[in-house]
Amino acid sequence: SAVISQKPSRDICQRGTSLTIQCQVDSQVTMMFWYRQQPGQSLTLIATANQGSEATYESGFVIDKFPISRPNLTFSTLTVSNMSPEDSSIYLCSVASSGGYTDTQYFGPGTRLTVL
Amino acid sequence: QKEVEQDPGPLSVPEGAIVSLNCTYSNSAFQYFMWYRQYSRKGPELLMYTYSSGNKEDGRFTAQVDKSSKYISLFIRDSQPSDSATYLCAMSGVGAGGTSYGKLTFGQGTILTVHP
Repeated sequence: SAVISQKPSRDICQRGTSLTIQCQVDSQVTMMFWYRQQPGQSLTLIATANQGSEATYESGFVIDKFPISRPNLTFSTLTVSNMSPEDSSIYLCSVASSGGYTDTQYFGPGTRLTVL
Repeated sequence: QKEVEQDPGPLSVPEGAIVSLNCTYSNSAFQYFMWYRQYSRKGPELLMYTYSSGNKEDGRFTAQVDKSSKYISLFIRDSQPSDSATYLCAMSGVGAGGTSYGKLTFGQGTILTVHP
């Protein structure tokens, strides 16, 4: 399985500011995903990021609020823009690893964001 | 109605017990079924994945999928205190080439505590 790291591991930010979260993988992967896990809730997919193309956003998430970069096959960033307390959450990146007929996903440790 | 329903628990069992975790779903397009384990302040860790209906066993863990009933289960035999975590079911449909869409839909997660 891929080894995934995220930076920062946690942060406390002020309302109205932006935070960029980095995701680094130890091997080249085609598909990377960004999820949000709000307190006491399950994971919700924000967007899918493929190298060389624009990210695909899920319903309820927009590029202006969550811009994503995917400059190469081992790295991606997610920016949380103009933050409000409702953005307090854990943000996780994951990668799909093709194997046979299925693409299983492996997750990073997450970035715990608190917005004051 | 949520696409995936999972009893959030919490579930508390004595060491050595057999644990049964379950999810129901409504989207008949789901073909890939996964169970993740998430320890506190960690990212989800893939435990089991199955394609379509049937059983899969890995050590103390058994995953079952009943597509006719839209019901999946994870059984943990001889449960240990180290199994204490949140267990998340996840599912995806089939995209091009027979691989999954990549988008995982998660249940709410079941909090499990195994006490000595």
